This record gives sequence, C-alpha cells and structure tokens, in this order.
Amino acid sequence: EIVLTQSPGTLSLSPGERATLSCRASQSISSYLAWYQQKAGQAPRLLIYDASNRATGIPARFSGSGSGTDFTLTISSLEPEDFAVYYCQQRSNWPLTFGGGTKVEIK
Amino acid sequence: EVQLVESGGGLVQPGGSLKLSCAASGFTFSDHYMDWVRQAPGKGLEWVGRTRNKANSYTTEYAASVKGRFTISRDDSKNSFYLQMNSLKIDDTAVYYCATTVTGMAGTTGYWGQGTLVIVSS
Repeated sequence: EIVLTQSPGTLSLSPGERATLSCRASQSISSYLAWYQQKAGQAPRLLIYDASNRATGIPARFSGSGSGTDFTLTISSLEPEDFAVYYCQQRSNWPLTFGGGTKVEIK
Repeated sequence: EVQLVESGGGLVQPGGSLKLSCAASGFTFSDHYMDWVRQAPGKGLEWVGRTRNKANSYTTEYAASVKGRFTISRDDSKNSFYLQMNSLKIDDTAVYYCATTVTGMAGTTGYWGQGTLVIVSS
C-alpha cells in the first residue's frame, strides 16, 4: 500500500498570503495524484487531478505540481473561504489511499 | 445537475450488517466508476472501494481494512450502487460518502454525496 505523507499538519496563515502544501508518496505514483478541499461538515471537493489539472470551476489561485513522489498544492493568495482541510489522494496503485490532511487555519 | 444521494446509514451492533445505497442522477451512470469513501469522526478520509463500469466488467477493488467483509455492487438500470457491509466492527463507524469523477465538455469534475452516518456500537 502506498503511504502519502502530508506536511505540515497545520498551516497558520493570513488572508492574502501564499499557502504551500506538500504531499510525499512512499513510492513513485507518476502524476496520479489528486487534491481535495474539505470544510467542516461538508463533503470533500475535488480541486486538482493528475497532479496539475484544475477541476472544473476551481479558481486559478489553486495550482498543483510534482510527479513521482513529491507533490505540491499552492494557493497563491488565500481567500477567507480557503481555510479548510486539504487531502491528497493517489490513484496509481490499489488500494487508493489518502494522505492524513493539512489544515489551513487563519493566523 | 449531477447528484449523488446516499441512504441506509444508522446504528448497528458489532458483528451486524448494513447496506448503503447511493442514487445517482444528472450523468450517464453506466459509463462511470463509482467509489465509496469513509471518514471516521474527527479523522481523515479513507477510500473504501470502487466498482468499475460495464465496459470494465463491473469489477471491484477494496481497501484491505474491508476486504472480505464489504461488497460493492451496482444496478445501472436504477442508476444506483451499493455497499453491503457485514461483520461490522466499531472501527467501521464513519460517515460514508459515494463519489465519482465525471469528464465532459466543460472539463473534469468530482462529485460527492452528502454522506450517510454509520454507527457501530453495542
């Protein structure tokens, strides 16, 4: 099973700041990585698929990069609605797995 | 509009069984893979399993934690898919979501239901 390690666990930032979230895979997953956002009491929302492709309707301030074992989700300028928990998911090998999540909180 | 609606959650004793349903609408259900994902209270997301489409023989995949206890099935005529959960354990307590990814003219979108809560407790 591929283990995804997300860091940091919590990111404390102010609106307008840049957020950089990391996801590291225990073995190469090519570009088969997705990013999700989850707000309290809501279902997750797909942000990025195949490492760098924004899902429909996702603002351009969200971008994904990386391949192999190291991936990054960048939020260029945090909006108030971006404070949430973010998860990565690998879609390379069975079983599919999620990272433990990064909480982006207001500083 | 794409909608996924889960049902069937509730309270069940350890060792018991429960069947969850997910009703889909707004897209060509028969063409798509469907996933179950769960989230224990206060915890992260855990992928449970997948059913592939008819073109891929409706084959299924499961997480190790549920393999042999849970069974995923689908009924394309009803635009629905299911999660049969047997030999339930306390650790299976979670909100269970159904989810899929749809690629169309406008791009690729992920869709999730609102979730249904399963509580395994004596």
